[in-house]
Parts: sequence; C-alpha cells; structure tokens
Amino acid sequence: GAGVSQSPRYKVAKRGQDVALRCDPISGHVSLFWYQQALGQGPEFLTYFQNEAQLDKSGLPSDRFFAERPEGSVSTLKIQRTQQEDSAVYLCASSRSGLAGENTGELFFGEGSRLTVL
Amino acid sequence: GENVEQHPSTLSVQEGDSAVIKCTYSDSASNYFPWYKQELGKGPQLIIDIRSNVGEKKDQRIAVTLNKTAKHFSLHITETQPEDSAVYFCAAIWGGGADGLTFGKGTHLIIQP
Repeated sequence: GAGVSQSPRYKVAKRGQDVALRCDPISGHVSLFWYQQALGQGPEFLTYFQNEAQLDKSGLPSDRFFAERPEGSVSTLKIQRTQQEDSAVYLCASSRSGLAGENTGELFFGEGSRLTVL
Repeated sequence: GENVEQHPSTLSVQEGDSAVIKCTYSDSASNYFPWYKQELGKGPQLIIDIRSNVGEKKDQRIAVTLNKTAKHFSLHITETQPEDSAVYFCAAIWGGGADGLTFGKGTHLIIQP
C-alpha cells in the first residue's frame, strides 16, 4: 500500500502477557518513529530509527518496552509483561528525511494499534 | 526537552465562522511547527506546517502564524465546514538533535450546523 501500515489494529492482552506491534513504513522512508497516544491526549514520543539504527529511545517508559528495525524497513514494538497503564494507541510514523538534527519534514502516520490490557 | 501547550481543549463554532487554536512552546531552538488533524480511529494527518524563518503561511482556508519572540504559533481556519470537525494537534521539533516531535494535548473542534 501507499501509506504506513500497522498491525494488529486492535489487541487485547491480559496483564503480564507480551505483545508485539508491527509497523510497515512507506517504502524508501529513512526515518521511523513510534508514539504512544493515551485517550484524549496528544501522541508522546517513544523512539526513533534512522534506517536500522535506533538513534533515540529516550521516550520508552520502561525496560519492558523494546523496539527494533533490523533491516531498516519494518519495525516491531514489543512490550513485555504488559500492565494496565500500557493501554493506549501506539502510532507509527515514517518520514523521507533521515538527517539527524535537520527538519524532519512531513511525518506520515499509520492508523495505530489500540492496545487494551485487562 | 520541549514543552508544548495548546488551547483551548474544546472549541465549538458555527458553520461558516472562523476557528483559532493557539500553542506555545518552550525551546527557543525549535524551528519546525506542524499542525495535524486526527479523525476518530485514524492517525494524525499533516494539514499545514511552518518553519521558523517564516511568520505566516496560508493554504486555502487554513493559515498558521508564528511569533518566535513570544514562542507561540496559531492555526486559523476560516469558513468552517462540517468536515473540519476533528481533533487538531500542534507540534514542535526540539533542538536537541533528534528528529522527534513534541505534540500539544489537542483541540477538539466541533462545527455546529
């Protein structure tokens, strides 16, 4: 497809389960971002990749969160031992720009993966 | 890091009237200020952006103004239409070297028929 694709769109997990969320960015986009959006809030930055390199993971809330982009394309956000406070929409975005410190230019967002932890 | 404040949280206007949403930012090194529109169940979509070397930018019914001295920027929508109803987010890039955006908390714009 032409846009950013995320799967699954909806995920219900029991507390303590591990989950994996997938992001397929726009082909050729160098930069990839993960954001967490709680209900009624703005997206909050989690982590940033330039190709396969994870250049910034300062927004990951705990060591239970892990992201990878091994071949510089598809990315996976993994959450281990999920807690209720992890319930949110996880948004992936990609950008053509890949120069750290330069303007990102337009970010293209996917529709998100809504995680509900019971 | 950057901190972005957005007001109001909810804005209701009559169809055809104008809507204005305001944001302030904290990091004077920020130099890129996009506005995103998010419809229910969808991801945010860029509607307009402005860079710090420009004071105003317009695209049809949408305009953005930037005051770098005061560190605030605003979104103006004229001749509002029902399809403008959505949540709008302002954002800023902090100048720390990474390319991530800091978002405001959003404004729920309601267009009354």
